Amino acid sequence: GAVVSQHPSRVICKSGTSVKIECRSLDFQATTMFWYRQFPKQSLMLMATSNEGSKATYEQGVEKDKFLINHASLTLSTLTVTSAHPEDSSFYICSAPKRTGLDSYEQYFGPGTRLTVT
Amino acid sequence: AQSVTQLDSHVSVSEGTPVLLRCNYSSSYSPSLFWYVQHPNKGLQLLLKYTSAATLVKGINGFEAEFKKSETSFHLTKPSAHMSDAAEYFCVVSDRSVVSRASYDKVIFGPGTSLSVIP
Repeated sequence: GAVVSQHPSRVICKSGTSVKIECRSLDFQATTMFWYRQFPKQSLMLMATSNEGSKATYEQGVEKDKFLINHASLTLSTLTVTSAHPEDSSFYICSAPKRTGLDSYEQYFGPGTRLTVT
Repeated sequence: AQSVTQLDSHVSVSEGTPVLLRCNYSSSYSPSLFWYVQHPNKGLQLLLKYTSAATLVKGINGFEAEFKKSETSFHLTKPSAHMSDAAEYFCVVSDRSVVSRASYDKVIFGPGTSLSVIP
């Protein structure tokens, strides 16, 4: 099956610094990718949709200046958490839809990045 | 707008007994529906998916789900629970959204159901 990778898998940073998380579709192209965050023992919350060649679309309540998204190519999207604070500590997961038919897609999820802000 | 409801936040069953995890959805389009499993501190694994073909979908590890449009449900079942089935289960709806005249599938997760299996 298709593979989506994330880097890094774990990161610890100090409060006030910025952290970049990469999401790559390894064997298919994705004009759209999705970013989620998951707090402990909770579900995945969609943060934003990353669009290749245009601005990301953010869900209500997600600060676009805080969570910068760049869809640099058809296989790479990056999420930068700017001026991170302890409340940003979470598990961040990306997904990329791969076309499986004329009008059908299958989502492939990355393994996630655990961010801890101290 | 689409949404997903998982009626039980926690389900506990004895090993060898049936499993039923409930999921209801709302969607303005013809959705695709999925069940994912997440073991502690692990990523997501696809169990099965419905994409407008057969309404009874068989997945991995003996799980299956039935799409019932009239009830807007997609409940997950397994005839006999195994200890290794203990995990978090997410029902997911993928629906078509249109942004700036470009359409794509937007994926929404349910709140999750934690399954415990008692020896």
